[in-house]
Amino acid sequence: AQSVTQLGSHVSVSEGALVLLRCNYSSSVPPYLFWYVQYPNQGLQLLLKYTTGATLVKGINGFEAEFKKSETSFHLTKPSAHMSDAAEYFCAVRSFTGNQFYFGTGTSLTVIP
Amino acid sequence: GAGVSQSPRYKVAKRGQDVALRCDPISGHVSLFWYQQALGQGPEFLTYFQNEAQLDKSGLPSDRFFAERPEGSVSTLKIQRTQQEDSAVYLCASSSGLAGVRELFFGEGSRLTVL
Repeated sequence: AQSVTQLGSHVSVSEGALVLLRCNYSSSVPPYLFWYVQYPNQGLQLLLKYTTGATLVKGINGFEAEFKKSETSFHLTKPSAHMSDAAEYFCAVRSFTGNQFYFGTGTSLTVIP
Repeated sequence: GAGVSQSPRYKVAKRGQDVALRCDPISGHVSLFWYQQALGQGPEFLTYFQNEAQLDKSGLPSDRFFAERPEGSVSTLKIQRTQQEDSAVYLCASSSGLAGVRELFFGEGSRLTVL
């Protein structure tokens, strides 16, 4: 069975400050990992994904995430927060063999001017 | 189409009514998923289609929930005798190929409110 844990359901940062959203997964084998963003009343949009290869993955809008197998983590970061980054962020995991994507409960990011 | 399209965007139903939610995936996408997203929660898997075949329906919460994709493109999620606990946003997602490393492309969702 696989699961995803996102620590912190709400995160607030000042505009221009570092954004760090945490994601830990449980899986018997290294899975595929994803970060999605959801703006109000919209569907989920892919930010970035890790499949194989380089463990530091760069995504859209200046976000990046690092896969750390030893820590079973896939934390999302952005060096400098922008007001437009305010949204709900979801970490998701998918196994090599399964068809299901398992999502975390989400982290709501607030950016303070 | 350019993206995944869902209709209706908003649906209010009285308890006990049947509802049908439609999903039009990205043209050519083989895989189609339905998710349920309760308020303040992440999406929860309901069911998965590969073309017209429903390969996994383990997430459907009860036999009141039924999904179909008869021609391997448009899909309909039907909920019979709706209950208040069915109130949620229902998200449809599609993916090219057989999922694998390919990401899901989501529609904007259908928000169901059961009174």
